Amino acid sequence: SQQGEEDPQALSIQEGENATMNCSYKTSINNLQWYRQNSGRGLVHLILIRSNEREKHSGRLRVTLDTSKKSSSLLITASRAADTASYFCATDKGSNYKLTFGKGTLLTVNP
Amino acid sequence: DAGVIQSPRHEVTEMGQEVTLRCKPISGHDYLFWYRQTMMRGLELLIYFNNNVPIDDSGMPEDRFSAKMPNASFSTLKIQPSEPRDSAVYFCASRPTGTGTNEQFFGPGTRLTVL
Repeated sequence: SQQGEEDPQALSIQEGENATMNCSYKTSINNLQWYRQNSGRGLVHLILIRSNEREKHSGRLRVTLDTSKKSSSLLITASRAADTASYFCATDKGSNYKLTFGKGTLLTVNP
Repeated sequence: DAGVIQSPRHEVTEMGQEVTLRCKPISGHDYLFWYRQTMMRGLELLIYFNNNVPIDDSGMPEDRFSAKMPNASFSTLKIQPSEPRDSAVYFCASRPTGTGTNEQFFGPGTRLTVL
């Protein structure tokens, strides 16, 4: 079963707007990561947030984590056409190194 | 570094044929993961290795699937016999030990079509 579930499944915005994607999960986690996948390519790691962290920033990315609600959000500010991709959250329980991925949000940024 | 290398990038075969997918992890990475991605089921972990030893193969769908890692720089995923429902994109990923994170580095994938 999927540990992470992203919503929305698809999001279409204009260049310059902010994009927010959400991820919910079912069991306790150690870390939560966000990955990007461009069409026809492999996944690329964007950012990781640990279970004892609430917010993290990296460039135009902002990730929040609410362990009480078992949810995370990824905010991309000032979006660009090049941000068009699928975005996945992935969770792990620490020592076993297994990642469980959600089904992703397809983000389209229109120029 | 060249990143994770997978071959072939595309494979089209007929039902019943044997398929072998190949992966070269990033040098120095001692964890290797095989994933399968489909529209219906998303990205699923099939098996992972640590120091060439299979650690968890609970995601391998059935006996038709097998994976090996004969050395630190090479792994194969074999499907024999292949079936149309095996059509998917197969990814290999690797990561080093002890980075303090669980970031995985993905290859470009092999798109498998079984007719």
